Amino acid sequence: DQQVKQNSPSLSVQEGRISILNCDYTNSMFDYFLWYKKYPAEGPTFLISISSIKDKNEDGRFTVFLNKSAKHLSLHIVPSQPGDSAVYFCAASLSGNTGKLIFGQGTTLQVKP
Amino acid sequence: ETGVTQTPRHLVMGMTNKKSLKCEQHLGHNAMYWYKQSAKKPLELMFVYNFKEQTENNSVPSRFSPECPNSSHLFLHLHTLQPEDSALYLCASSRVGTYNEQFFGPGTRLTVL
Repeated sequence: DQQVKQNSPSLSVQEGRISILNCDYTNSMFDYFLWYKKYPAEGPTFLISISSIKDKNEDGRFTVFLNKSAKHLSLHIVPSQPGDSAVYFCAASLSGNTGKLIFGQGTTLQVKP
Repeated sequence: ETGVTQTPRHLVMGMTNKKSLKCEQHLGHNAMYWYKQSAKKPLELMFVYNFKEQTENNSVPSRFSPECPNSSHLFLHLHTLQPEDSALYLCASSRVGTYNEQFFGPGTRLTVL
């Protein structure tokens, strides 16, 4: 049973436009959510996170939105750049901060020049 | 060297071989992790070590044996593996107290023949 799901395997966006990556979760005990970015032949890189007590966190071009009632979070990238082309993973953590992250399958984002 | 390094980057082994994967972090962290990423599947947490003590074993078969001699080094000893164990093995580290923001190495691509 997959507790964190990224239902879109891929997304293609034009440079300069907004990229929206989505993530759904099933466990209401998750209290911290993260987005990681992965380039080929590299490990995932932490991008941005949000605590369950917030509904929005912004860092430059990246904003994460959390809708607890819908058990849904999204990552917005504005404006999208070709260098943003990568695989994006959503991850969730249970309360207690044990380090056990549950990852989604990933969404491959392609930003076209 | 900076960040999290993993060796070897690629490994091909037979089912009767014994090999070891090595991870080293240069970030001053004190929590380390092993993850497995199989094709088309999410990253799966295998083991967590805090201050050299194993705190999480995610029902991993005994043919995978972790070792953490100090907070900077983590090994994964492999023996009598199966072809379905072929995957990307990722190491990560974090500070105790910020378990969720994990820094990943580039991974070892393992092929079991």
